[in-house]
Amino acid sequence: ELKVEQNPLFLSMQEGKNYTIYCNYSTTSDRLYWYRQDPGKSLESLFVLLSNGAVKQEGRLMASLDTKARLSTLHITAAVHDLSATYFCAVDSGGSNYKLTFGKGTLLTVNP
Amino acid sequence: GAVVSQHPSRVICKSGTSVKIECRSLDFQATTMFWYRQFPKQSLMLMATSNEGSKATYEQGVEKDKFLINHASLTLSTLTVTSAHPEDSSFYICSAKRGGEKLFFGSGTQLSVL
Repeated sequence: ELKVEQNPLFLSMQEGKNYTIYCNYSTTSDRLYWYRQDPGKSLESLFVLLSNGAVKQEGRLMASLDTKARLSTLHITAAVHDLSATYFCAVDSGGSNYKLTFGKGTLLTVNP
Repeated sequence: GAVVSQHPSRVICKSGTSVKIECRSLDFQATTMFWYRQFPKQSLMLMATSNEGSKATYEQGVEKDKFLINHASLTLSTLTVTSAHPEDSSFYICSAKRGGEKLFFGSGTQLSVL
């Protein structure tokens, strides 16, 4: 059974600071996703990581994937208040079905 | 704009009634859609995989007679919560894959059963 562990679950940080969210998973996977969710809203796709060593960046967010360590990171650079949200990583169990197992999510609060 | 449309966004119903939630892929065909459930401040749990033209595949612990899934066309999957009870109150989200590697999620449906 695929398990996805995300940490920290809660993160409170000041504007301008940097931090990293970690996502570990238990079995080999083809695809790893990062999503953002605002309260009461659905999921916004941030990144799709497909191969070992993949690194993707969008604005102040950068995601990376190490398939050998079964670890993905989401790095936040110079945080701003607008980044406050819950961030989920999700791992595909393989094959062509795109069936995702989600981490528990990281509630990020960026304080002025 | 949205590529997956989910309706309704919010529904309140009485205990014992049935509620249908629709998930539509816009401008693309989705042979497979997924239904998730999310309790407040928790993660998403996959309920079932909806396959066009065939029976849905349910995850362990999900009652298929309780949560009826119909994927009658390449752009529409429906989830019907039958004989709803307060414990069925939750946020339900569908997703569909549109070419490439991205999955797109619907806007979600907040179900409240009184």
